[in-house]
Formats: sequence, C-alpha cells, structure tokens
Amino acid sequence: QQQVKQSPQSLIVQKGGISIINCAYENTAFDYFPWYQQFPGKGPALLIAIRPDVSEKKEGRFTISFNKSAKQFSLHIMDSQPGDSATYFCAASLVDYKLSFGAGTTVTVRA
Amino acid sequence: NAGVTQTPKFQVLKTGQSMTLQCAQDMNHEYMSWYRQDPGMGLRLIHYSVGAGITDQGEVPNGYNVSRSTTEDFPLRLLSAAPSQTSVYFCASSTSVLGLAVPYSYNEQFFGPGTRLTVL
Repeated sequence: QQQVKQSPQSLIVQKGGISIINCAYENTAFDYFPWYQQFPGKGPALLIAIRPDVSEKKEGRFTISFNKSAKQFSLHIMDSQPGDSATYFCAASLVDYKLSFGAGTTVTVRA
Repeated sequence: NAGVTQTPKFQVLKTGQSMTLQCAQDMNHEYMSWYRQDPGMGLRLIHYSVGAGITDQGEVPNGYNVSRSTTEDFPLRLLSAAPSQTSVYFCASSTSVLGLAVPYSYNEQFFGPGTRLTVL
C-alpha cells in the first residue's frame, strides 16, 4: 500500500504554462517532503524539498506548497519549458533515511 | 567524483538464475539503499544500510539479499531470479545534514544511473 498518493499520472502543458502535481499522505509523523526529477534513462535527482514547519518553498520556477492540516503537498512548475519534460516523484520520509515515493507524474511540455 | 555507479546497465536472466547487481559510491556516504522502479508504482525500497556491516529490509525485500562490507560498496543479490523481478533497479546513497535554523536533518539521496533487468 503506497504511503504517498500522487496525481495526475501524466500531464501535458504548453510552453510557458503552469504544471501542478499533487500528493497526499496519511502518516502525520512524516517530517521531510522532497520532490525528485527523473529524465528518461537516468536516475532520479533531488529537485526541491520542504519541511512541515513551512507552508511554501520556492526555488526558481519550482514551488512546493504544503498544507499540513490537509496532509497534502504540491509542486508547481511556473513558465514550463520543454527542458522540464520529465517524470516527477513526490516522497515523504519518516526518519532520516527511508523515503516513501509516490507513483510518479510524467510531464510533457509542448513547444 | 564519480558519484554513484552501477553495473551492469542492462541484464537479461533466465528464471532461476542468480546474479549480483553492483553499486559503488565515492562520496563517503554512510547510508546506501536499493530501489526498484516499476510503471505506476514509483520507487520502492528493497534494502538499505546505515553503515558498513549494518543492513535492513525495506518495503519489498523478498528474493533479494544485500551485504555491506565497506562504506563504498553495496551489492544486491538475486538468489533465484523470477519474472516478477523484471524491473529497473536504482542504488542511492546519502548523508545526513543538519539544518541551519532548526535542529532538523534532511537527506538528499544521490541515485545511480540504474540497471534494467529482464527475467525471462
């Protein structure tokens, strides 16, 4: 049973548009919520992460929004570019090292 | 630094064969782990190690063995391959970093390039 539920499974966005990926979790003990980006044929790489004591974190065009009471967090990709086309995974960590991943969202940015 | 390396990149096995997937890291990370990635399932933790000589099971450990004799290496062994083990396998390593403002820690996991395994 997946501890982190991710949606949508895939999305298509026009260049310059906004991509939004949502994740939900049940375990309130999770204390670290990273997003990983994966290009075809490569391993995932950390994109951005947030702790539950903040509601939003922004790094460039990527923003995590965190709603602790709803047990949900989301990734917003602003001004989406063709180079953002990849699979994105949300994850949550209970202790320092063990990550539980969502199922992944494949983002396609059309030029 | 090479980071996390994995060999082989591709492997085809017959049911019942055994093999070892190799993983090495040169970042002196204490934590290493193995994941499998299947369509629609995300990445699932197979086994992990918090240091040399210490290993533990993850979410899907059945059919896999690990050992950690050195900090650098963390091989994954398939004892008797089954078609259900057809997957892409990723090794990852990380260290713990204390946050600056609050006494939290976070762990950026560095992933290898993966091994695509097919079991016929």
